Amino acid sequence: EMQLLESGGGLVQPGGSLRLSCSASGFTFTSYAMTWVRQTPGKGLEWVSTISASDANTYYADSVKGRFTISRDNSQSTLYLQMNSLRAEDTAVYYCAKRFGASASGSYLDCWGQGTQVTVSS
Amino acid sequence: QPVVTQEPSFSVSPGGTVTLTCGLTSGSVSSSYYPSWYQQTPGQAPRALMYRTNSRSSGVPDRFSGSLLGNKAALTITGAQADDESDYYCVLYMGSGILVFGGGTKLTVL
Repeated sequence: EMQLLESGGGLVQPGGSLRLSCSASGFTFTSYAMTWVRQTPGKGLEWVSTISASDANTYYADSVKGRFTISRDNSQSTLYLQMNSLRAEDTAVYYCAKRFGASASGSYLDCWGQGTQVTVSS
Repeated sequence: QPVVTQEPSFSVSPGGTVTLTCGLTSGSVSSSYYPSWYQQTPGQAPRALMYRTNSRSSGVPDRFSGSLLGNKAALTITGAQADDESDYYCVLYMGSGILVFGGGTKLTVL
């Protein structure tokens, strides 16, 4: 069974940093692109970032470009999101999700983690 | 960047049929946007329902179907059940790795 488990969320002050992790199991991690999606309180879903299976290509939403960095460790089947210069508007539940394919094309996210809460507040 | 539009809310009677739509503020949704649909209940992660317009995700009952209707993508639920009461999100692929989610539709079954 495919599973994704996020960790690393918490409370951080504006301007601070946080690194999220997503541990994958039940599928060949090295074969699939991976994505981060966030959901603000009581609101909808927002795509944050995607990394290709080979780690050669990364993509970011304009709202996080230059502040967030997506990466992966294929030897550990783990996805990361390094978040710097955090703002109040980054407060959200962050989900990692598996893409249906090795590249970032298409919109099918066939497996989601349970999410980790990030709160940016002084 | 285009905005993906969805009905904010919809209601359906048990056993009834409902069609939720996913459009663009400018232009038409086509299969080249690879529309997909996700279901989310409160406190839970989203669950994939449909991809590439009309392909059902594993384990999704066949009363869920996807299509293109006019200039929009559509998700139809035939024979709605109480546990279909959820938020439904569509997402479109904009190219260059970019995904855009719609604002979601809150479906009530009553």
